[in-house]
Amino acid sequence: DTAVSQTPKYLVTQMGNDKSIKCEQNLGHDTMYWYKQDSKKFLKIMFSYNNKELIINETVPNRFSPKSPDKAHLNLHINSLELGDSAVYFCASSPTAGGAYNEQFFGPGTRLTVL
Amino acid sequence: LAKTTQPISMDSYEGQEVNITCSHNNIATNDYITWYQQFPSQGPRFIIQGYKTKVTNEVASLFIPADRKSSTLSLPRVSLSDTAVYYCLVVLSSNTGKLIFGQGTTLQVKP
Repeated sequence: DTAVSQTPKYLVTQMGNDKSIKCEQNLGHDTMYWYKQDSKKFLKIMFSYNNKELIINETVPNRFSPKSPDKAHLNLHINSLELGDSAVYFCASSPTAGGAYNEQFFGPGTRLTVL
Repeated sequence: LAKTTQPISMDSYEGQEVNITCSHNNIATNDYITWYQQFPSQGPRFIIQGYKTKVTNEVASLFIPADRKSSTLSLPRVSLSDTAVYYCLVVLSSNTGKLIFGQGTTLQVKP
């Protein structure tokens, strides 16, 4: 059973296009996250939703828009893609929004390449 | 949130014990120390978390001295499959789930 799944695994697209990445978790968790890992392997949080409510919104261009239709899904839509958006995007989930021993479970990642 | 410092890379051989030390001088009273592991082309995976003294699970041990300004992740008898990046994080217990990842330690296990 896949705990946190993402689609697609690879995404290659042209500059200026709009694309979406989907994430689903079957762990019954309340909180979901999007992280970006750049070419230098730095992993940085972008957004977090708790029970469909946005609770973390880091300094991310507004071309990036997360959407959570229900607490098991958190999708990431990116408008007007730029070369600098090329990265691996990871979705994660955790039982709650914080607190001690609140392990985050990560998905396999989506490698986005913008040409 | 407290900043963490850990070695960029380490090499080891199969069967050896590996100790990765992380410095977190500015750790606050309510902060926990958490370690994640990331294999190539995979998402990070939680390994272990602790507040003080020693924590052990089936994967690793975590040693935290009394002043909590550093911590050491200990991997017993590593194998080639332990080659990965290991991240030390300081997590505030009342935070909103925000994890701040540093550059991590790339562990290369050789045969």
